[in-house]
Amino acid sequence: DAGVTQSPTHLIKTRGQHVTLRCSPISGHKSVSWYQQVLGQGPQFIFQYYEKEERGRGNFPDRFSARQFPNYSSELNVNALLLGDSALYLCASSPAGDSEAFFGQGTRLTVV
Amino acid sequence: QKEVEQDPGPLSVPEGAIVSLNCTYSNSAFQYFMWYRQYSRKGPELLMYTYSSGNKEDGRFTAQVDKSSKYISLFIRDSQPSDSATYLCAMSYSSASKIIFGSGTRLSIRP
Repeated sequence: DAGVTQSPTHLIKTRGQHVTLRCSPISGHKSVSWYQQVLGQGPQFIFQYYEKEERGRGNFPDRFSARQFPNYSSELNVNALLLGDSALYLCASSPAGDSEAFFGQGTRLTVV
Repeated sequence: QKEVEQDPGPLSVPEGAIVSLNCTYSNSAFQYFMWYRQYSRKGPELLMYTYSSGNKEDGRFTAQVDKSSKYISLFIRDSQPSDSATYLCAMSYSSASKIIFGSGTRLSIRP
């Protein structure tokens, strides 16, 4: 079975631009969460979606938004990029939003 | 004070040694405890997932949770060079809530 897949794997953007990151969960998993991991730190929670509904939101500015589609895939959008948004963005899926979450390989975003 | 504290290391041990990794936390409401392994430039891989206090063993890995001390541990027996990675402890309040991670411990196993 395929694991969690994220695209693109790497991305370079300029300050002020917008970016969309994509995630496909493990087949049968209905919950998707997004995390930001800055170098040398643990992942920080951004959003959780379950059955297309937002279930939780972390302490991130409104420039960050997300959505989940009927096929349970998800997009993370970040507007007005800042240098500090440079990080590894991780998507995790779980069967029903429980804590046994499985992560994808991440999208490494560099803002210049 | 961070909710979850983890020594960043680096920790270097010889092949075959027993490795002990630890985390402390401040909020007694945490109920679910996890350990993830993360290789360089990869996503975290779930190693152990436990609920409440007690021990759980899976092959060379043993996870321990002591809720009275707000302390969790991961033991790796017969460590191998392939175990060299960053180990992240993580926990959550309920089965459906966000996961809160420690900052990770870098582990290196010397051949």
